[in-house]
Amino acid sequence: DTGVSQNPRHKITKRGQNVTFRCDPISEHNRLYWYRQTLGQGPEFLTYFQNEAQLEKSRLLSDRFSAERPKGSFSTLEIQRTEQGDSAMYLCASSFRGGTYNEQFFGPGTRLTVL
Amino acid sequence: GIQVEQSPPDLILQEGANSTLRCNFSDSVNNLQWFHQNPWGQLINLFYIPSGTKQNGRLSATTVATERYSLLYISSSQTTDSGVYFCAVDTGNQFYFGTGTSLTVIP
Repeated sequence: DTGVSQNPRHKITKRGQNVTFRCDPISEHNRLYWYRQTLGQGPEFLTYFQNEAQLEKSRLLSDRFSAERPKGSFSTLEIQRTEQGDSAMYLCASSFRGGTYNEQFFGPGTRLTVL
Repeated sequence: GIQVEQSPPDLILQEGANSTLRCNFSDSVNNLQWFHQNPWGQLINLFYIPSGTKQNGRLSATTVATERYSLLYISSSQTTDSGVYFCAVDTGNQFYFGTGTSLTVIP
């Protein structure tokens, strides 16, 4: 068990470009979550997957954002036509949901800077 | 959505002092976690505590779900305890985080 990993760790892009982030969860975890965190704030929920199904999406997730989890393993978060307001830390977490048990474990995050 | 409030927002302690951080939430929840965010942004699990009391070394936590609050106790604080502490509540569909308590421990 190597923990949750995220790539890249840092991304600098120009406004209008598309970016894609990857998250590899802890193996056998059935839930995967994406969050966004800006300076001085707590993480804000974006979306989550139960296996390969995307079950919940925040209204924060505009149509420029899309997430996938093919085959219920790793996940990708894509931001199209990036804006300066997208600059933030993007965090991924995974958990094994069994009954009411649902403890999350976070990856190190991807810090996005949009110039 | 559910409201999660943490207090105090900022805390400065002398090394060796004790402290209590509080997390209030506005509705019933399935689960609650406490995290420590280090200066590099990594969220480190401290406690998974939907109810009751747990202890881990100098840290302990208590959640009273019926009264919708949780407390994190830090005893004999050390400089390495500095950082931001978050509580997060699970409603079943998503987690909601508080705005955090920023702790600075000075030698």
